[in-house]
Amino acid sequence: LAKTTQPISMDSYEGQEVNITCSHNNIATNDYITWYQQFPSQGPRFIIQGYKTKVTNEVASLFIPADRKSSTLSLPRVSLSDTAVYYCLVGDKAAGNKLTFGGGTRVLVKP
Amino acid sequence: DTAVSQTPKYLVTQMGNDKSIKCEQNLGHDTMYWYKQDSKKFLKIMFSYNNKELIINETVPNRFSPKSPDKAHLNLHINSLELGDSAVYFCASSQNRAGTLAFFGQGTRLTVV
Repeated sequence: LAKTTQPISMDSYEGQEVNITCSHNNIATNDYITWYQQFPSQGPRFIIQGYKTKVTNEVASLFIPADRKSSTLSLPRVSLSDTAVYYCLVGDKAAGNKLTFGGGTRVLVKP
Repeated sequence: DTAVSQTPKYLVTQMGNDKSIKCEQNLGHDTMYWYKQDSKKFLKIMFSYNNKELIINETVPNRFSPKSPDKAHLNLHINSLELGDSAVYFCASSQNRAGTLAFFGQGTRLTVV
C-alpha cells in the first residue's frame, strides 16, 4: 500500500478554513484516497473519499491534483468540535482488505 | 442502534490473566477487523475476517486469538496478558473486502497492571 506523509499537527481558530495536505507519491492507479477523523476516546470515522479532482460533502472537501501524488482535505469554518486527529489513507477500493493508518494530523481548533 | 459495538469499554486486569473483548456489527458487513492503538496513537491492524474466514493476520503474538462465530461477531481473546498489551483495541467492519470505508467501534481501553 502507498505510504502517506502528512503534518504532525496544525493549529487553527474557530471560523477559519483548515487545509491538511497529504503526500502519497507512490499512489497506484487503482488506489483511492480516504480521510478519517478521530476524536479523543472514539474510533476513527470516515469523512471523505476521492479518486481525482474534487469531492465535496457536508463535512469537507477533498482536492486531488491531476498527478494524484498529493491530496488536500479542506475543513470549512472549523469549530472547537473539529479538534481531532485526521488520517489520510490510500488503498485499492476493490481489493484493499485492510486500512493502513499513518501518524495522522492533530488539529487543534482554538477559540 | 450502534453500528459497531464493543464490550467492555474499559478493562483493567493483572498480568498473566486471560481476557476477551467482544465485538458485534449490525450493518450486515462481510468483513470485520481488529486494530490496536498504542500510547503513541498509531493504529495498527491485527486481524481481518471475511465471512468468518481469517484473511489478515499481521505479526501478532499467538497469545491473541480472534474468533468469529458468525459474520456479525468478531471476538478477541488474549491469553497471558503482558504489560505491553495495554492499549486501545478497536473493532471495525466494512462491506466485503473494500476496507477503504470502514466503521469503527468506540474502542476498548485495556490496562494491564
